[in-house]
Amino acid sequence: EIVLTQSPGTLSLSPGGRATLSCRASQSLSSGYLAWYRQKPGQAPRLLIYGASSRATGIPDRFSGSGSGTDFTLTISRLEPEDFAVYYCQHYGSSSWTFGQGTKVEIK
Amino acid sequence: QVQLVQSGGGVVQPGRSLRLSCAASGFTFSGYAMYWVRQAPGKGLDWVAAISYDGHKTFYADSVKDRFTISRDNSKNILYLQMKSLRPDDTAVYYCARNLSAFAVAASGYWGQGTLLTVSS
Repeated sequence: EIVLTQSPGTLSLSPGGRATLSCRASQSLSSGYLAWYRQKPGQAPRLLIYGASSRATGIPDRFSGSGSGTDFTLTISRLEPEDFAVYYCQHYGSSSWTFGQGTKVEIK
Repeated sequence: QVQLVQSGGGVVQPGRSLRLSCAASGFTFSGYAMYWVRQAPGKGLDWVAAISYDGHKTFYADSVKDRFTISRDNSKNILYLQMKSLRPDDTAVYYCARNLSAFAVAASGYWGQGTLLTVSS
């Protein structure tokens, strides 16, 4: 079973700042099947990035995903008020699906 | 537009059963794998179960295996999660989700609104 570890647990930043979130897998995701979601309080998650680096429909270009193998990164270039939320990475496959424990991006 | 409307949550006693439903519209339901994901109060996301587009393949998290059954009715465009032997640690908001792409391995591109299940005596 693949385990995803996200860091940091909490990121305190100012609006307009740059956020760098990490997701490390316990074994190589050679398929690149790694997604990122944003979840605001009381709402369902929203897909941001799939395939490690492809933005989902309607996602602004301030969001970018990168990485391969076991190390993946979500970067938010300029934080908007709606970006202060919890972010989850996910490995999706043909028979296994795993979420990281989440990173909370909070206003400093 | 894609819509996933959930129903069936509530309060249930430990050991009892309950079925969640997820009614799909706005897309060809029979072409997409579907999922159930849950989130315990104040906790992170936890994948529960998956079903192939045709219903022939199902997958479960170890925590729910042999207690939960995912199924779908492609004639009615409805996804189900039948839950039995419920435990207090099954208390969570349950989300249904749709594969981003048809007939392919993909992320969960669309989500239902979530439904709260509380298991308590």
